[in-house]
Amino acid sequence: ELKVEQNPLFLSMQEGKNYTIYCNYSTTSDRLYWYRQDPGKSLESLFVLLSNGAVKQEGRLMASLDTKARLSTLHITAAVHDLSATYFCAVDMNNTDKLIFGTGTRLQVFP
Amino acid sequence: NAGVTQTPKFQVLKTGQSMTLQCAQDMNHNSMYWYRQDPGMGLRLIYYSASEGTTDKGEVPNGYNVSRLNKREFSLRLESAAPSQTSVYFCASTVAGEGDTQYFGPGTRLTVL
Repeated sequence: ELKVEQNPLFLSMQEGKNYTIYCNYSTTSDRLYWYRQDPGKSLESLFVLLSNGAVKQEGRLMASLDTKARLSTLHITAAVHDLSATYFCAVDMNNTDKLIFGTGTRLQVFP
Repeated sequence: NAGVTQTPKFQVLKTGQSMTLQCAQDMNHNSMYWYRQDPGMGLRLIYYSASEGTTDKGEVPNGYNVSRLNKREFSLRLESAAPSQTSVYFCASTVAGEGDTQYFGPGTRLTVL
């Protein structure tokens, strides 16, 4: 059974600081996705990582994938309040387009 | 393009009542999905449809049925609602087999009393 674990579950950080969210998964996969969800809203796609060593960056967020370690990271650089949201990673089961989601990391950025 | 649309946005049911959640996409995607999200949790796959005319169970299919009406529309039916089905339901779609992201609808917030 594929399991996806994120840590931390909650993250409160000061504006301007850097931090990394980790996503570990239990079986082989080379497709991993990051989504953002604002309270009461739907999910918004952030990154699609489709191979070992893939790195994507958008603004203050950078995501990477290490398929051998079964680990993806979402790095936040110089956090701002607008990044406050819940971030989910999701792993494609055996490249079937069926996603297993992590439990999410709730990020709060304060002044 | 409207993307993925869902109706209704909110619904309150009594235990034992039935209802159908509707989902439509206008992106010509092959694959469509139904998820549920419970408070403080990630999304769990209920059913999916890899292509028009096919459906298959996900992680938590009990108590639900689906219909892939055509390429655009994928509905989720609760035959006899239970309080445990209180949740937010999201529909999603994607181009099959290309590793593309899934695009999500706005969600339906369902409460079963």
